[in-house]
Amino acid sequence: EVQLVESGGGLVQPGGSLRLSCAASGFIFSGHNMNWVRQAPGKGLEWVSYISAGSSTIDYADSVKGRFTISRDNAKNSLFLQMNSLRVEDTAVYYCARSYCTAGSCYDYWGQGTLVTVSS
Amino acid sequence: QSALTQPASVSGSPGQSITISCTGTTSDVGGYDLVSWYQQHPGKAPKLLISVVSNRPSGVPNRFSGSKSGNTASLTISGLQAEDEADYYCSSYTTRDILVFGGGTTLTVL
Repeated sequence: EVQLVESGGGLVQPGGSLRLSCAASGFIFSGHNMNWVRQAPGKGLEWVSYISAGSSTIDYADSVKGRFTISRDNAKNSLFLQMNSLRVEDTAVYYCARSYCTAGSCYDYWGQGTLVTVSS
Repeated sequence: QSALTQPASVSGSPGQSITISCTGTTSDVGGYDLVSWYQQHPGKAPKLLISVVSNRPSGVPNRFSGSKSGNTASLTISGLQAEDEADYYCSSYTTRDILVFGGGTTLTVL
C-alpha cells in the first residue's frame, strides 16, 4: 500500500525556518517524481515545488522561489522541504504528492498533510 | 501563473447530474489534454478522480466523467449521492512545465 506521511509542521514566527519531511513507503520511491502542494486555511490548492526522481530537475512556485528548498534522499525514501524566511502568507497545510500521468500532470497519491502556522 | 477559474459552488439533489467547469487559457487547459480533477472532503487530503481529461483511475465510480472543449474542462457527476458532497479542484499542465490548480468548487447535495 502506497503511503506518504508528512511531519515537521508547527508554529513559527515570521522570518523563521522549518523543515518538512515526507516518508514514503509501498512503492519504489526512487522511480517517482515528487511534489509539495499547500492549502491555506479555507483556500484552494497551490503547487509549491517539484523534484524529479533523481533530483536533476527542481522547480518552485514564484511565491516561494529563493526561500524554499526541496530535496530528497532516495536511500531513505524521504522527501524534504526546507522553508526559510517564512511569511504569514505561508501558513497552510503542506501535502507531499506523487507525480503520475503524462508529464507528471496529475498526483495519484497524497499524504495527510502537515500544518505550518506562521504567526507572531 | 494564474489559477484556473471554477465556480465557487454548485448544488444538486440526490440522483441528479451536475457539471463543474474549469476555465483556463491556451497556455494550460487549451494547450494540453492534461487536465485532472480532485475530490477533497473536509479535513482530508485530495483524491485523484480524473486524469488526462477523461481517464478514471481504478476505484473511481463511473458516475464521474471528464471532458474538455477549447480552454474549458468539465467534470460531470451523474446520479448524485450524499457522499459526493465535497470540494472539487481541477488542475492543468502548463507551458511552464508545472501544474496550476483551479480555485475549487464546493458541491452541496441538497
